[in-house]
Amino acid sequence: DVKVTQSSRYLVKRTGEKVFLECVQDMDHENMFWYRQDPGLGLRLIYFSYDVKMKEKGDIPEGYSVSREKKERFSLILESASTNQTSMYLCASSPGGSGNTIYFGEGSWLTVV
Amino acid sequence: GENVEQHPSTLSVQEGDSAVIKCTYSDSASNYFPWYKQELGKRPQLIIDIRSNVGEKKDQRIAVTLNKTAKHFSLHITETQPEDSAVYFCAASKSSGGYNKLIFGAGTRLAVHP
Repeated sequence: DVKVTQSSRYLVKRTGEKVFLECVQDMDHENMFWYRQDPGLGLRLIYFSYDVKMKEKGDIPEGYSVSREKKERFSLILESASTNQTSMYLCASSPGGSGNTIYFGEGSWLTVV
Repeated sequence: GENVEQHPSTLSVQEGDSAVIKCTYSDSASNYFPWYKQELGKRPQLIIDIRSNVGEKKDQRIAVTLNKTAKHFSLHITETQPEDSAVYFCAASKSSGGYNKLIFGAGTRLAVHP
């Protein structure tokens, strides 16, 4: 069974704090993704990575950065959290190549106050 | 870039009825169309997918149809059951190097009433 694990399910952070969301997958997948889920907007792609140290911007990268130092780990960083970044964040991974199933983690609920 | 529109945003049916969710996409090069189901408080999970070289795919009570000319695809659930209640997301992607870049629709909240 594919396992995508997000280290924090629920976080509350203050405006201006630096926030790290960690994600680990155990299936040796080449591709990893960070999505943001908001009601009525679906899942929007923030960043993705198709190899170690490689990253590509998704549709809403502003205010976020990512790090992929190891194949199994993909981190999302909010350099200075703002209230409009309160959301559910979903990490996902997939094997290399196109047309392959993407597997999601359980999600991290972030509240910025 | 790709844009995926999904309708309806909410759908309420009686147990045993059929449910249909429709999506349209903008990029004619898209060739992979998965559907995900997300139960309350859980992760989205793939329930069925279709590639552009086929027009229809079926798996028990679930079927997906694809019309490449019109750039739309649909999810059909027959004989709905209360456990089908969830949010359903369609998505589209195209071959791009070695990765999927899935673009999702806004989701449909399906409620199946006993």
